[in-house]
Amino acid sequence: DTGVSQDPRHKITKRGQNVTFRCDPISEHNRLYWYRQTLGQGPEFLTYFQNEAQLEKSRLLSDRFSAERPKGSFSTLEIQRTEQGDSAMYLCASSGTGNNEKLFFGSGTQLSVL
Amino acid sequence: LAKTTQPISMDSYEGQEVNITCSHNNIATNDYITWYQQFPSQGPRFIIQGYKTKVTNEVASLFIPADRKSSTLSLPRVSLSDTAVYYCLVGDNGGGADGLTFGKGTHLIIQP
Repeated sequence: DTGVSQDPRHKITKRGQNVTFRCDPISEHNRLYWYRQTLGQGPEFLTYFQNEAQLEKSRLLSDRFSAERPKGSFSTLEIQRTEQGDSAMYLCASSGTGNNEKLFFGSGTQLSVL
Repeated sequence: LAKTTQPISMDSYEGQEVNITCSHNNIATNDYITWYQQFPSQGPRFIIQGYKTKVTNEVASLFIPADRKSSTLSLPRVSLSDTAVYYCLVGDNGGGADGLTFGKGTHLIIQP
């Protein structure tokens, strides 16, 4: 068990640029989740996958945000035309498929939009 | 949607027992209660989960009264390293996002 891995750990970009983050879940986990966390707030749920199927995406913050998990393994989260308000920690988690499975989180990608 | 309410912050001292209570008045029959711990610049980490009565593991205990409208996370003999934010989640993450919603959590500060 190597844990959930996220890359990069830090990303600095200019407003209007596109950014993509990668998440590698624990290998035997079928579910993968994306969260956003701003300073002083709890993690905010964005979307999740079961294998390659995106089961919940209504909470993605805008149409500038999209996520993929094409082969049911790693996932990417893309933000297009970044805005300063997108600056936050983006967290990925994975879990098994049973009910009430606990989430295992990565260390996150800290995004700063200048 | 079973929303939760926790104290924003708590203070205690090393060696003390700390109890953090979470209110969840609208908890549904199928909902479980899960607590996570988060240190700065890290993702949350699972602490404990329960459905009713009492659950204990090597880290904490979780007390849930019969009506399940609240729960209490108990940390025995805390140390400085227990300073962190603690989140209470309620839901069934078997489907939908309700069980995956974090509130603002409780910032626990342990002093020497």
